[in-house]
Amino acid sequence: AQSVTQPDIHITVSEGASLELRCNYSYGATPYLFWYVQSPGQGLQLLLKYFSGDTLVQGIKGFEAEFKRSQSSFNLRKPSVHWSDAAEYFCAVATGNQFYFGTGTSLTVIP
Amino acid sequence: DGGITQSPKYLFRKEGQNVTLSCEQNLNHDAMYWYRQDPGQGLRLIYYSQIVNDFQKGDIAEGYSVSREKKESFPLTVTSAQKNPTAFYLCASSIPSGGDTDTQYFGPGTRLTVL
Repeated sequence: AQSVTQPDIHITVSEGASLELRCNYSYGATPYLFWYVQSPGQGLQLLLKYFSGDTLVQGIKGFEAEFKRSQSSFNLRKPSVHWSDAAEYFCAVATGNQFYFGTGTSLTVIP
Repeated sequence: DGGITQSPKYLFRKEGQNVTLSCEQNLNHDAMYWYRQDPGQGLRLIYYSQIVNDFQKGDIAEGYSVSREKKESFPLTVTSAQKNPTAFYLCASSIPSGGDTDTQYFGPGTRLTVL
């Protein structure tokens, strides 16, 4: 069965520091992978997605993610975090039109 | 502007009452979904619909019901059979039907509280 693991429940970074959020998935074939961001009390906004091709994917708001098949990972990165990046981040894997979400990583940004 | 709207934003229900959450999209998407979000548990699929007049149960369908009479609308009813309905409910839609994968786009959510 497909599953997604986000090992970090909560991460705190300083504004201007780099960020990496981890995501590992379990899926037999080449997965479709997504990162979403959620501000408190809001819906999910798509940051980026990987379907095929270049394993380094660029997204909105300066985020990028790298698909590593050998590690079954799709980690999200940002070189310099802004205070407005504080939110909940969800990784998801899709097969057909079924999505499987991780439990999320909550990001706090300190001045 | 195209998008997904959910109403109301906040909903309060007494125990034993049924309530209906609205989800409307003007993106001309075929597929629509309902998720439940609880703290620390991510999103769990309640129901989904790939085409009008057809829908399938997700992982936690017990105590919920849906209809899909129009392409634009996918209302969710939380019945009195749902024992712990207090949660944040998210509606989503995507373009394809027939099992193809594409991005899901989300509405702003409805927070349901049982009093």
